[in-house]
Amino acid sequence: EIVLTQSPGTLSLSPGERATLSCRASQSVSSSYLAWYQQKPGQAPRLLIYGASSRATGIPDRFSGSGSGTDFTLTISRLEPEDFAVYYCQQYGGITFGQGTRLEIK
Amino acid sequence: QVTLKESGPVLVKPTETLTLTCTVSGFSLSNARMGVSWIRQPPGKALEWLAHIFSNDEKSYSTSLKSRLTISKDTSKSQVVLTMTNMDPVDTATYYCARLMASYYYMDVWGKGTTVTVSS
Repeated sequence: EIVLTQSPGTLSLSPGERATLSCRASQSVSSSYLAWYQQKPGQAPRLLIYGASSRATGIPDRFSGSGSGTDFTLTISRLEPEDFAVYYCQQYGGITFGQGTRLEIK
Repeated sequence: QVTLKESGPVLVKPTETLTLTCTVSGFSLSNARMGVSWIRQPPGKALEWLAHIFSNDEKSYSTSLKSRLTISKDTSKSQVVLTMTNMDPVDTATYYCARLMASYYYMDVWGKGTTVTVSS
């Protein structure tokens, strides 16, 4: 089973700043099978990115994904107030999720 | 519009079997490009994938929970059912179903989730 480790556990930033979230896999993951989700309190997760870098329908272009092999990154170029949430990465190879990164307002 | 809705008991006792139903609309369970996954989330914890099923009845289970899980579908009713045996308080969680895209194995539409508490 591939283990995904997300860092940092918590990221404290201000609106307008740039956020960089990391997802590291215990073994190589095909880029086609890496996705990112956003989850707000009391809500279901929402798909942001699939195939490592493709934005899902309706996702603003301030969200971008990159990476390959074992290292993947979700970048939010300019944080909006509604972006503060928990973010999870997910891979297929036996589906697993990372433990999440909490993005909080500084 | 694609929607998924989870249903099932709110409370189950330890050792009992949990049966959850996911009713989908806006797409067909016979669509070869799509399947349905079950995912759970204990309070304050991360997401955990449980199982998925595709139109050809291909199934996959979490390695750690495989012995306790069964997933099935009724295409005519647009329903996917997950059973989990021998429930324990650590299985207390919100259980989600989500549409799984076969192309890149990502979950693009999620249900709102149903909360299950395991307690005597």
